[in-house]
Amino acid sequence: GQQLNQSPQSMFIQEGEDVSMNCTSSSIFNTWLWYKQDPGEGPVLLIALYKAGELTSNGRLTAQFGITRKDSFLNISASIPSDVGIYFCAGHMNRDDKIIFGKGTRLHILP
Amino acid sequence: DAGVIQSPRHEVTEMGQEVTLRCKPISGHNSLFWYRQTMMRGLELLIYFNNNVPIDDSGMPEDRFSAKMPNASFSTLKIQPSEPRDSAVYFCASRRGTDSNQPQHFGDGTRLSIL
Repeated sequence: GQQLNQSPQSMFIQEGEDVSMNCTSSSIFNTWLWYKQDPGEGPVLLIALYKAGELTSNGRLTAQFGITRKDSFLNISASIPSDVGIYFCAGHMNRDDKIIFGKGTRLHILP
Repeated sequence: DAGVIQSPRHEVTEMGQEVTLRCKPISGHNSLFWYRQTMMRGLELLIYFNNNVPIDDSGMPEDRFSAKMPNASFSTLKIQPSEPRDSAVYFCASRRGTDSNQPQHFGDGTRLSIL
């Protein structure tokens, strides 16, 4: 079946560092989405990307829709403690199709 | 505005029992999704509805699982009989319209433990 390969699985960083995570697929996606999940809560949409090459920012977060349409990355600049959580990439292969989720990147911030 | 509301938040029951999870989507949203989240398999789509009609139930694990959406403001996911391997967090999400360009909004989930 369709799969999204998300890396890294987990990250341990110091507060203030920048973070980069990415997602790849062997299939072409029409949209790429990045969600964050806090403990005990549901995923919350951070950024949505709809066009190949699109670069979008949301505060300290920046995400890009890869030119090949088979990958996307998410960067977080100057991390803060509340950035801790699980980040999921997700995408649609067709306009009306269901979302496929990656396995997530768990972000830990060291004191 | 109220988000997606799921109940119960936690459910612990013995295997063999029937389990019913409930979801109230955001008012005005046309699509509703049921997901299951486990450490091993991540977030998996079980079934989704557009305008109360089931569109794709290919993710439903087996016949023990069933979902209904009797009206635009309510959906249930039922497991009968439940088994320990059904233990997971179950999320409901809703979306305005049926176009994938619209974002899905998730509830806070039901943590299900089958003993």
